[in-house]
Amino acid sequence: QSVLTQPPSVSAAPGQKVTISCSGSSSNIGENYVWWYQQLPGAAPKVVIYDNNKRPSGIPDRFSGSKSGTSATLVIIGLQTDDEADYYCGTWESRLSAGGVFGGGTKLTV
Amino acid sequence: QVQLLESGPGLVKPSQTLSLTCTVSGGSVSSGGLYWSWIRQHPEKGLEWVGYIYYSGSTFYNPSLKSRATISRDTSKNQFSLNLRSVTAADTAVYYCARYFSSGFDYWGRGTLVTVSS
Repeated sequence: QSVLTQPPSVSAAPGQKVTISCSGSSSNIGENYVWWYQQLPGAAPKVVIYDNNKRPSGIPDRFSGSKSGTSATLVIIGLQTDDEADYYCGTWESRLSAGGVFGGGTKLTV
Repeated sequence: QVQLLESGPGLVKPSQTLSLTCTVSGGSVSSGGLYWSWIRQHPEKGLEWVGYIYYSGSTFYNPSLKSRATISRDTSKNQFSLNLRSVTAADTAVYYCARYFSSGFDYWGRGTLVTVSS
């Protein structure tokens, strides 16, 4: 059971828009930055959004992120077939004896 | 460009110790403000943070591992390692090493599959 809650799957047609939600609590998302990771089949996770809404160099502006309270959202517009991947949200858990926490992942089908 | 590479046995027997090493290039495990972490992914499952070693040498672990994990480092080789004791089939996973910077994991190794089986 993951600490952060994501929908197991989302789908949309090429060119469309998709939204992936990530729900947490006051002790994780509520107090810390959220990062989003893209994992292609057989590959390591790769950062697509950091610090809630910033894009690393090389990530297209079709990817955007936001955070409100204890939830975060990843939005991808102009979907392309190579966006098909698993997406994970992650943050830090501030409670004593906690650490890095992730969502269970969302499978995006384009 | 920081690169991380995991190495270690791909098969471990139940009750034995899983030992993995992460070799870092393009950065130093002694650099201030950085946390060097292990994260695992069970087959067809999500990501689970295992623990980290801070640049100062202090460590912190996921409480769910019930004190079975130890992370150490060798600054002369620019490596850090994971030992996980008393493994069971539930420890079968792809193990990633990663760098935690500021608020998230920015560089990851390619991962190594460890299977626990007799």
